[in-house]
Amino acid sequence: AQSVTQPDIHITVSEGASLELRCNYSYGATPYLFWYVQSPGQGLQLLLKYFSGDTLVQGIKGFEAEFKRSQSSFNLRKPSVHWSDAAEYFCAVGASFGNEKLTFGTGTRLTIIP
Amino acid sequence: DVKVTQSSRYLVKRTGEKVFLECVQDMDHENMFWYRQDPGLGLRLIYFSYDVKMKEKGDIPEGYSVSREKKERFSLILESASTNQTSMYLCASSTRGGSSYEQYFGPGTRLTVT
Repeated sequence: AQSVTQPDIHITVSEGASLELRCNYSYGATPYLFWYVQSPGQGLQLLLKYFSGDTLVQGIKGFEAEFKRSQSSFNLRKPSVHWSDAAEYFCAVGASFGNEKLTFGTGTRLTIIP
Repeated sequence: DVKVTQSSRYLVKRTGEKVFLECVQDMDHENMFWYRQDPGLGLRLIYFSYDVKMKEKGDIPEGYSVSREKKERFSLILESASTNQTSMYLCASSTRGGSSYEQYFGPGTRLTVT
């Protein structure tokens, strides 16, 4: 079975600074990987996804993530954060064979300071 | 624009009550999911359904049941609500094959059991 670890529970970043949120997965084959964002009081919105091909994927709102098979990682990055990026971020993994479920990490809460 | 709607944003119920949470999607998706979200635990899958009248247990099905009589509607049932079921409940849907892992989420129902 697949699993996901988000080692950072809470991160605080200054507005305009760069951001990297960490995600490590465990799965025996090439996984399907996702980043979702949840603004306060809202459901989850897909930021980006990796199925295959180019290991650097671009998403919405200026986010990108890089799949590194050797490190079993799929870290999310943004070069310059905006106050509206304050939210909770979830990494998720899907098995490339079998059922169509996702396993989510425990989330990283992002706080932006002026 | 794709839409997943949940019947209530906030719900307060008493211990022992039978509780119904409704979810409707307008995307003609085959797959539908119910998660609960708790601080520090991320999203945990309760049940999912890949077709009308079909269901599979997720990671934490105890104390819950589901019903899917129509393709667009997926109901979560708490047979006898308990205080440890106080949580945020999120519904999601996805299509089958191809982008099947890309789940679309509703806004959530925050359930309080007193």
